Amino acid sequence: DAMVIQNPRYQVTQFGKPVTLSCSQTLNHNVMYWYQQKSSQAPKLLFHYYDKDFNNEADTPDNFQSRRPNTSFCFLDIRSPGLGDAAMYLCATSRDDRGWYEQFFGPGTRLTVL
Amino acid sequence: AQSVTQLGSHVSVSEGALVLLRCNYSSSVPPYLFWYVQYPNQGLQLLLKYTSAATLVKGINGFEAEFKKSETSFHLTKPSAHMSDAAEYFCAVSDPNTDKLIFGTGTRLQVFP
Repeated sequence: DAMVIQNPRYQVTQFGKPVTLSCSQTLNHNVMYWYQQKSSQAPKLLFHYYDKDFNNEADTPDNFQSRRPNTSFCFLDIRSPGLGDAAMYLCATSRDDRGWYEQFFGPGTRLTVL
Repeated sequence: AQSVTQLGSHVSVSEGALVLLRCNYSSSVPPYLFWYVQYPNQGLQLLLKYTSAATLVKGINGFEAEFKKSETSFHLTKPSAHMSDAAEYFCAVSDPNTDKLIFGTGTRLQVFP
């Protein structure tokens, strides 16, 4: 089945220790998104790629970076995680970034910062 | 700016009862509207979407939603709740200026036996 895969499902890191979250897709979609979802809140868009074009949200902290080495993979790098970065991180894909295209979400990575 | 309001952060129903989850949007142009469901520790799964075709949209798992322009609403319903429907439900609108999804704050549905 075509899908969006996120690894690991659970990640524990220490305050200030860099961490990388991984997302892969078998849907061959052009667009890949990263969302941050804190407990009992709506997902918040961090950034997205359309092919290799990177689109950062204005309020995404510089501490968050992303890489998309090829169509299938996208990574979220948190350079110096703080306690406030503990959250569920959701990867999503879409065929196109126009509004009527649905987004397909992965299962998420829950990040704990100690 | 586009926004979505979900009335009721928690809704509880008995198994077999009607499910009604409310969503109101603000949009200056005809919107694209979505309902997503999120089970504990899972990602979001699309239930249904409205993209200016039929105003009554049928989705998966027996859910449907009706787009009412006059009320700027897109409420989600299911005639008979099942225990497996217990989850968090998010309404979302696509911002026509940015094409980005704007999510509501979510409604947690509890289903009692």
